[in-house]
Amino acid sequence: DAMVIQNPRYQVTQFGKPVTLSCSQTLNHNVMYWYQQKSSQAPKLLFHYYDKDFNNEADTPDNFQSRRPNTSFCFLDIRSPGLGDAAMYLCATSIGQTTNEKLFFGSGTQLSVL
Amino acid sequence: DAKTTQPPSMDCAEGRAANLPCNHSTISGNEYVYWYRQIHSQGPQYIIHGLKNNETNEMASLIITEDRKSSTLILPHATLRDTAVYYCIVAETDSWGKFQFGAGTQVVVTP
Repeated sequence: DAMVIQNPRYQVTQFGKPVTLSCSQTLNHNVMYWYQQKSSQAPKLLFHYYDKDFNNEADTPDNFQSRRPNTSFCFLDIRSPGLGDAAMYLCATSIGQTTNEKLFFGSGTQLSVL
Repeated sequence: DAKTTQPPSMDCAEGRAANLPCNHSTISGNEYVYWYRQIHSQGPQYIIHGLKNNETNEMASLIITEDRKSSTLILPHATLRDTAVYYCIVAETDSWGKFQFGAGTQVVVTP
């Protein structure tokens, strides 16, 4: 039973054409994260939401935006994708507590930029 | 600055125990040690975590040294399905938002 669901599994977009990736969760967790993972590299945190509070990592490009309209859904918007944005994008959730925090990941969306 | 150091790769024979080391010499008192793994083309999966005591669950055991500067993840009977990249992460007790992945160890389990 999938708890963190990412759609689509594969996404192809054109250079410069805006693209949105979606993530939903059935865990009712407070925190939702977006990670970028390029080939043969570790996942890199882009930003996260604690409830409605948005927290951007200092080195996340302005080209990447996020929306969280409600507890269950979170979106990653890439305003003008470049070839270097081709990667696996991973959504994760966590309860948001002071101890025993764990991340639950979706299966990811593999983004190709042509 | 990397908080953890892991060997880039290691091999393990199927059915044998796999011992994965992690160095975290700058760990602070309120930081937990977490282990995740990522099977090819999937999202990372939580394995285990601990503060200072050794921990065991259905997947693995975690041994943390007394000074907490290093730890070892033990997969007691490795199977081919354990082939994955294993990530050791240190994170504060209020760790939401602070899970930063390092390079990890590529473990290959061979028949």
